[in-house]
Amino acid sequence: GAGVSQSPRYKVAKRGQDVALRCDPISGHVSLFWYQQALGQGPEFLTYFQNEAQLDKSGLPSDRFFAERPEGSVSTLKIQRTQQEDSAVYLCASSRDSQYEQYFGPGTRLTVT
Amino acid sequence: AQSVTQPDIHITVSEGASLELRCNYSYGATPYLFWYVQSPGQGLQLLLKYFSGDTLVQGIKGFEAEFKRSQSSFNLRKPSVHWSDAAEYFCAVGPSGGSYIPTFGRGTSLIVHP
Repeated sequence: GAGVSQSPRYKVAKRGQDVALRCDPISGHVSLFWYQQALGQGPEFLTYFQNEAQLDKSGLPSDRFFAERPEGSVSTLKIQRTQQEDSAVYLCASSRDSQYEQYFGPGTRLTVT
Repeated sequence: AQSVTQPDIHITVSEGASLELRCNYSYGATPYLFWYVQSPGQGLQLLLKYFSGDTLVQGIKGFEAEFKRSQSSFNLRKPSVHWSDAAEYFCAVGPSGGSYIPTFGRGTSLIVHP
């Protein structure tokens, strides 16, 4: 079936604006992960859902970051009052269960000006 | 805490030459190990993974990796590189026993000369 999709692919925000990034996981995948990838770095874990439950949000860098997955499928990562240091690629991944083999989406490149 | 080191930021090889990308990890027990590839503007694609068993793991696109516990390494190899292999390669380590959060290395950029 279709892979993980993310939208928008590119987002430019002025500092202080709120943004919402969407992730459509592979159908039937229980687990969903969000990562932040800074330029020249590997992905860093932000948060994890199993179905609609957010089981781990230890990687969220501040309380300006919020994620939800209300029906256990599509997920949204929201960043309030964006700052320049939020500029990065935000990757979403899903898996059949929590035991690894994650499938990644193409990412959303966020640029905060 | 677990960690991953990819000591080479860039690797340049000629098309047709062999390739080895290094990965060293730090973890107290037997880890789960992964190699991912990321082409420009794309997400990460899993090349191969090691959970247990045979320490030589075969993956997609002709890649293989060998888990060496004594050296805490999981190096990625390919006998003959193609121009289309030019990409960013990430090694990742995850704790075993049900935890799910992998730690990624900073990546190695592979440049292939014709």
